[in-house]
Amino acid sequence: AQTVTQSQPEMSVQEAETVTLSCTYDTSESDYYLFWYKQPPSRQMILVIRQEAYKQQNATENRFSVNFQKAAKSFSLKISDSQLGDAAMYFCAYEGNSGAGSYQLTFGKGTKLSVIP
Amino acid sequence: DAGVTQSPTHLIKTRGQQVTLRCSPKSGHDTVSWYQQALGQGPQFIFQYYEEEERQRGNFPDRFSGHQFPNYSSELNVNALLLGDSALYLCASSFGFGAGYEQYFGPGTRLTVT
Repeated sequence: AQTVTQSQPEMSVQEAETVTLSCTYDTSESDYYLFWYKQPPSRQMILVIRQEAYKQQNATENRFSVNFQKAAKSFSLKISDSQLGDAAMYFCAYEGNSGAGSYQLTFGKGTKLSVIP
Repeated sequence: DAGVTQSPTHLIKTRGQQVTLRCSPKSGHDTVSWYQQALGQGPQFIFQYYEEEERQRGNFPDRFSGHQFPNYSSELNVNALLLGDSALYLCASSFGFGAGYEQYFGPGTRLTVT
């Protein structure tokens, strides 16, 4: 079974600074997707960024970028120019692509990010 | 454009009772997934519906069942409630069945079992 580990239960960052959230995963599949989801205190989870395992180029979405190291099974999220609205729980998630039965999101336990004004 | 909606927002039930949670997917979406999120934990996949059939199931007992209607809305039923079923239940929808699709989450239903 696939597992996703987020080793930082809590992180904090000064407004306008950069922070990196860590995620590692374990899988025997060669084709899969990785995601970072954000869950603000209002609870509605939203997608931050997505990475396809077969793409070597790291995904970027505005201030959010990832460092995807496939061999190391590592998938970290970098938030640049942090804003107060970035404060939330961040979940790393894995989704296999080996056929029906593998298309399910497996989440880590999350990292709570606080942004200090 | 309405996003994913869930009802009710909060629910309190007694051990042994049965509960039904409802989800309306985002307009245009045909696939619905359900997750259980215990306090302080990440969501855990319960099951996924596509074309009115359960296509995938996580490691949850048969007490958890669901249904998808022709309009793509979905229900999650939990029988013989246990204290450990207390959690936030999230519904997510996407367009298409397969890997890599963005899932849009609803606000959740907070279930408390006493």
